[in-house]
Amino acid sequence: AQSVTQLDSQVPVFEEAPVELRCNYSSSVSVYLFWYVQYPNQGLQLLLKYLSGSTLVKGINGFEAEFNKSQTSFHLRKPSVHISDTAEYFCVAYSGAGSYQLTFGKGTKLSVIP
Amino acid sequence: DGGITQSPKYLFRKEGQNVTLSCEQNLNHDAMYWYRQDPGQGLRLIYYSQIVNDFQKGDIAEGYSVSREKKESFPLTVTSAQKNPTAFYLCASSILGGRDPYNEQFFGPGTRLTVL
Repeated sequence: AQSVTQLDSQVPVFEEAPVELRCNYSSSVSVYLFWYVQYPNQGLQLLLKYLSGSTLVKGINGFEAEFNKSQTSFHLRKPSVHISDTAEYFCVAYSGAGSYQLTFGKGTKLSVIP
Repeated sequence: DGGITQSPKYLFRKEGQNVTLSCEQNLNHDAMYWYRQDPGQGLRLIYYSQIVNDFQKGDIAEGYSVSREKKESFPLTVTSAQKNPTAFYLCASSILGGRDPYNEQFFGPGTRLTVL
């Protein structure tokens, strides 16, 4: 069974500092990986996705993530965060094996401190 | 503007009452989904539908029911059999097929249900 582990439930960081949100996945089949962002009391928005090709994926709002197959990781990074980045971030996996179900991590709450 | 609407945004109900959450999309998407979100739990799939008049159970379907009479609508009923219904409910939709291996799921703004 597929699983996604987000290693930190909360990450506080000062404004303009870099941040990394960690995600590990387990899967015995090909996997597609995503990061979604959820602002308070809102739905989820796709931040970036890895389907194939280059392991460094760039997304919206200056975020990027690196797919590392040997370490089964897909960590999200931003070199300089803004107050507006305060939100919850979800790492998500999709096996693509005829299923339409996504496997969600439990989320990481990023709090940007002014 | 195309998108997904969920109503109401906040809903309060007494224990033992059934309640129906609305989800409408004008994106002409084939598939629709219902998720439940609890603090620190991520999202869990309740039901999904790939086509009108057909739907499948997700991971936590017990105590919930759905219908898909129209392509653009996928209402969720939280029944009195659901033991802990207080949660944030999110509806999503996506196209099916296409060349991409993943068809992005677009999410509505959510409904926060509180059972008193």
